[in-house]
Amino acid sequence: AQRVTQPEKLLSVFKGAPVELKCNYSYSGSPELFWYVQYSRQRLQLLLRHISRESIKGFTADLNKGETSFHLKKPFAQEEDSAMYYCALVFGNEKLTFGTGTRLTIIP
Amino acid sequence: DAGITQSPRHKVTETGTPVTLRCHQTENHRYMYWYRQDPGHGLRLIHYSYGVKDTDKGEVSDGYSVSRSKTEDFLLTLESATSSQTSVYFCASRAGQGRSGELFFGEGSRLTVL
Repeated sequence: AQRVTQPEKLLSVFKGAPVELKCNYSYSGSPELFWYVQYSRQRLQLLLRHISRESIKGFTADLNKGETSFHLKKPFAQEEDSAMYYCALVFGNEKLTFGTGTRLTIIP
Repeated sequence: DAGITQSPRHKVTETGTPVTLRCHQTENHRYMYWYRQDPGHGLRLIHYSYGVKDTDKGEVSDGYSVSRSKTEDFLLTLESATSSQTSVYFCASRAGQGRSGELFFGEGSRLTVL
């Protein structure tokens, strides 16, 4: 069965330090993975998709099929990065399953 | 934002009463979804729709039903609310196939069942 695991519920990082939010998945098909972010008092919104190989707000994420991971990284954390982050996997071409989320807090 | 609105935004109800949450989108998106968000569980899919009158169950569909009579509206009904259904409910929509992971979310509806 498809599953997304985010092992850290909470993560605190000092401003300027590197950030890594972990995401592992299990899926028998070809994975399509995403990162969503929810800032305080805002809607959940798409941050990154693996297929685009893009960098958004300084964040990048690389799909590692060998390790079945899709970790989100940023070299220098900023205070405005504080938010809830969800890793998500598309399956069945129609449904998106989410991990349990990681609340990132940037310490000034 | 993709023009998705949810109503009501907040509701307090009693156990055993029926509740309907409404999701309205103005983007002519084909697909619509209902998720619930709970601490420790993240977002879990309740039901989704892939067209008018076409719906299917998600992973936590027990106790919920949905209807989609028009492209723009997707209703979530709790026939007889229970305390375990206290949650924040999110509606989402997306266009057609090819961009399957890009969901646009509503602002959420906080439901409390006493």
